[in-house]
Amino acid sequence: GQQLNQSPQSMFIQEGEDVSMNCTSSSIFNTWLWYKQEPGEGPVLLIALYKAGELTSNGRLTAQFGITRKDSFLNISASIPSDVGIYFCAGLKTGGSQGNLIFGKGTKLSVKP
Amino acid sequence: DAGVIQSPRHEVTEMGQEVTLRCKPISGHNSLFWYRQTMMRGLELLIYFNNNVPIDDSGMPEDRFSAKMPNASFSTLKIQPSEPRDSAVYFCASSQETPQYFGPGTRLLVL
Repeated sequence: GQQLNQSPQSMFIQEGEDVSMNCTSSSIFNTWLWYKQEPGEGPVLLIALYKAGELTSNGRLTAQFGITRKDSFLNISASIPSDVGIYFCAGLKTGGSQGNLIFGKGTKLSVKP
Repeated sequence: DAGVIQSPRHEVTEMGQEVTLRCKPISGHNSLFWYRQTMMRGLELLIYFNNNVPIDDSGMPEDRFSAKMPNASFSTLKIQPSEPRDSAVYFCASSQETPQYFGPGTRLLVL
């Protein structure tokens, strides 16, 4: 079946550091989504990307739709303790229905004050 | 605006009991999704509806699971009879095209 390879699986960083994570696939996607999930809550949409090469920011977060359409990256600048959570990427294949949204397994971020 | 609303937020039940999870999607959204999240398997799509019609239920684990969407503002996911392996967090999500917006989830524990 379809898979998204999300890495790293977990990160332990110091407050103030920048963070990078990515998702890759062997398939081509026409939409990439990035979500954040905090303990006891549902995933919250951070950034949506719809075009190859697109670079979109949301505060300290920046995400890019890879030019090959097979990958996406999320960067967090100057991390703070409230950035703690699990970050999920999700991709939708070209021609796929919304039910075919494929999720990565998540990157668990821990920030040390 | 209100997001996706799910109830109950927590449910503890005994094996064999019927469990009903409820979801109110975001107003105006035409698609609704039920997911299950576990540590082992991550997020799994169980079923999704478009315009109140079930489109794909291939993720529903077995006949013990059923879902309905009687109107555009309400959906239920029912497990009967429940088993301990059904313990998980169940999310409802809705969308108008992409992206999907998730509810806070129902944490189900079957003893």
